[in-house]
Amino acid sequence: DIVMTQSPDSLAVSLGERATVNCKSSQSVLYSSNNKNYLAWYQQKPGQPPKLLIYWASTRESGVPDRFSGSGSGTDFTLTISSLQVEDVAVYYCQQYYSTPLTFGGGTKVEI
Amino acid sequence: EVQLVESGGGLGQPGRSLRLSCTASGFTFGDYAMSWFRQAPGKGLEWVGFIRSRAYSGTTEYAASVKGRFTISRDDSKSIAYLQMNSLKTEDTAVYYCTRGDRFGDPWGQGTLVTVSS
Repeated sequence: DIVMTQSPDSLAVSLGERATVNCKSSQSVLYSSNNKNYLAWYQQKPGQPPKLLIYWASTRESGVPDRFSGSGSGTDFTLTISSLQVEDVAVYYCQQYYSTPLTFGGGTKVEI
Repeated sequence: EVQLVESGGGLGQPGRSLRLSCTASGFTFGDYAMSWFRQAPGKGLEWVGFIRSRAYSGTTEYAASVKGRFTISRDDSKSIAYLQMNSLKTEDTAVYYCTRGDRFGDPWGQGTLVTVSS
């Protein structure tokens, strides 16, 4: 199984400042035949289901504000919120879909 | 608009069974794989399993924690995916979500709570 490790567990960022969430996989999730990283990011607010933000490590889902961006390749990935807004307070999860079982990081709680 | 609505949750006794349903609308259900995930109270997300579309033979894959106890099926004529949960354990207590696809979840339903307790 691919183990996904997120850091930090939580972080507090001032309004308008940058928030960075890290995700590391125990093995590469880069598929060499198509050069795609099989990595997604989700946002989950209290009492709500997760919402897809990013897939293929850096492709923003339709309707997701451009202050959210994903980067990285292979085993190391980053979700960046360039200018934190009140509505961004949530738990963020990374997930690999390179192989089954599909696995998630433990989550990062972003607060103001 | 793509919508997924889970139902069938509730209180189940250890060793007994429950069947969850995921009713889809807003897309051609038969063209897509469907997945189930769960989230125990206060915990992170866990993949349960998925069923591929008929084009991919409708094959299924499961997490080790549920393999042999849970079965995913689908009725394309009704646009419904099912999660049959047998031999329930207390550790199966969670909110269960269905999603479209077999890679990343998009979108997610609101979820249905399953509580396993005697």
